[in-house]
Amino acid sequence: GQSLEQPSEVTAVEGAIVQINCTYQTSGFYGLSWYQQHDGGAPTFLSYNGLDGLEETGRFSSFLSRSDSYGYLLLQELQMKDSASYFCAVNSGYSTLTFGKGTMLLVSP
Amino acid sequence: KAGVTQTPRYLIKTRGQQVTLSCSPISGHRSVSWYQQTPGQGLQFLFEYFSETQRNKGNFPGRFSGRQFSNSRSEMNVSTLELGDSALYLCASSLALAGGTGELFFGEGSRLTVL
Repeated sequence: GQSLEQPSEVTAVEGAIVQINCTYQTSGFYGLSWYQQHDGGAPTFLSYNGLDGLEETGRFSSFLSRSDSYGYLLLQELQMKDSASYFCAVNSGYSTLTFGKGTMLLVSP
Repeated sequence: KAGVTQTPRYLIKTRGQQVTLSCSPISGHRSVSWYQQTPGQGLQFLFEYFSETQRNKGNFPGRFSGRQFSNSRSEMNVSTLELGDSALYLCASSLALAGGTGELFFGEGSRLTVL
């Protein structure tokens, strides 16, 4: 089976940096993806790590260590609009993702 | 470029009824997958279709079924509805390129309430 663990909630203030960790146990692994979902909205793709290391996309970065079955999403220069749920997801092939339960990020002024 | 379109957006059914949800993927995307989202279980994979073939299926009972048409549009059906089927049903499409990022493009979802 597959399971992913991530914190249920994280709080931070505007302008700060926050890291959302994700650990996984999986029987099939192609890569780790991160998605953002605002209340009532569709999940939107943020980043993907197929290999170990850091991927940077603007204010967001994502890291993967396959040997540790661990990854994280780093959000810099937080803005109020970043308040949302963030999901890590294991790609196990055939456009099949196994999602974590999600981390609700609350950004305060 | 139009995004993923799901219909209906909201629907209310009673226990024992059946429901059909529709999904139109982004033009050119041949892979369509379905996910169920509930507060308790999060996002759970239902099934994935590629070129009208179901390639993968999640751990859901046989009451949940789907299909994909030659134009890549997809439908999912839930028969004999139970209260626990109340959820947001999300459809996602992708290019499904080998070695790709696995990026999925999600629709806004169909919110099903079972009474």
